[in-house]
Amino acid sequence: EAGVAQSPRYKIIEKRQSVAFWCNPISGHATLYWYQQILGQGPKLLIQFQNNGVVDDSQLPKDRFSAERLKGVDSTLKIQPAKLEDSAVYLCASSLDGGGVRAFFGQGTRLTVV
Amino acid sequence: AQTVTQSQPEMSVQEAETVTLSCTYDTSESDYYLFWYKQPPSRQMILVIRQEAYKQQNATENRFSVNFQKAAKSFSLKISDSQLGDAAMYFCAYNRYGGATNKLIFGTGTLLAVQP
Repeated sequence: EAGVAQSPRYKIIEKRQSVAFWCNPISGHATLYWYQQILGQGPKLLIQFQNNGVVDDSQLPKDRFSAERLKGVDSTLKIQPAKLEDSAVYLCASSLDGGGVRAFFGQGTRLTVV
Repeated sequence: AQTVTQSQPEMSVQEAETVTLSCTYDTSESDYYLFWYKQPPSRQMILVIRQEAYKQQNATENRFSVNFQKAAKSFSLKISDSQLGDAAMYFCAYNRYGGATNKLIFGTGTLLAVQP
């Protein structure tokens, strides 16, 4: 079974530039999550999709972050413009459904904003 | 709001020995799930063990077991016969049961070193 795929693995950009991350969840998984993990902290949910609808985006900085999940499969997370404090690992995860069902994580994208 | 606290930023254990990682949480919910995730340098979060709050029996997975104290809101992870491959960051996480939104709430992690 293929896992959650993310790209790129690493990205370095200058502040005020834009960047996009891509995630391909496990086939058949209805729920997709984007987490932000700042160095020294645990991951924090940015947005949760159920199929192609947004379930929770309460902690997404909507003035600069956006995400979409077209056709309920792949997802893209965008930051525009980036700030220094956006430097973090961005993890994508998917599950058959939400709740206590096991969530599978990708290897993440490490973003450095200079 | 639910919170998860890991008070041990770093722990160290000798190979083949046993180590216990601590976690406390706060919630007003009665039904929920608790997890321990392992994050090696590859950054991929790997599920180690899961506990349903309605189950009194502590979960076990091979060398990994938990001590779940619901009244005390405590959820510790015991790793027996530690191996070099167990070295990683370990995160305790909480997930409410049911509802439309089911995000994982993570603690700040414990970095486990295994000494040969």
